Amino acid sequence: GQQVMQIPQYQHVQEGEDFTTYCNSSTTLSNIQWYKQRPGGHPVFLIQLVKSGEVKKQKRLTFQFGEAKKNSSLHITATQTTDVGTYFCAGQAGGTSYGKLTFGQGTILTVHP
Amino acid sequence: SAVISQKPSRDICQRGTSLTIQCQVDSQVTMMFWYRQQPGQSLTLIATANQGSEATYESGFVIDKFPISRPNLTFSTLTVSNMSPEDSSIYLCSVTGGRVHGYTFGSGTRLTVV
Repeated sequence: GQQVMQIPQYQHVQEGEDFTTYCNSSTTLSNIQWYKQRPGGHPVFLIQLVKSGEVKKQKRLTFQFGEAKKNSSLHITATQTTDVGTYFCAGQAGGTSYGKLTFGQGTILTVHP
Repeated sequence: SAVISQKPSRDICQRGTSLTIQCQVDSQVTMMFWYRQQPGQSLTLIATANQGSEATYESGFVIDKFPISRPNLTFSTLTVSNMSPEDSSIYLCSVTGGRVHGYTFGSGTRLTVV
């Protein structure tokens, strides 16, 4: 079945440093989504990438979708303590898997003030 | 975006009993899903709740253990049956379609089986 690998598992940064998490799928995706889960909270939708090579920005966050639609990254510039949480990528395949998301393992981000 | 009410938020249950979790959305959605998440772990899809028909279960999950209902476009229930301590986890409903952009998650049900 489809697998989505995400690295690193943990990332500790000083406030102001940049942060990147990477996601790689075993199969070509129809789209990839990113979620943030604060400690004790539930996943919150950040963005969806659909097109090959797509790049989207949300303030300090930059999301990329690879040309082959199998990998993606999330980059945070100048981290803040409010960025703390777990970041998940979630891939969606097409066809009979329509609608189902396969989540990566998540990257737990700790930001030290 | 849609607002999801998931109940209960937490429960402590005796082994061998069953718990039903409810997921109510404030608007009609196309698809509803149930996930399980161990603390500090990723999300694992249990099943897709289909309106008016049997849910579609993922590998490793069966209807007898996790019966699911979805009588309409805004409501679903997940029952965890004949519970054992291994069922202790966080259960989340998720929806998409309608007014929902991406997938919206309920706040989760933290289940402890003793």
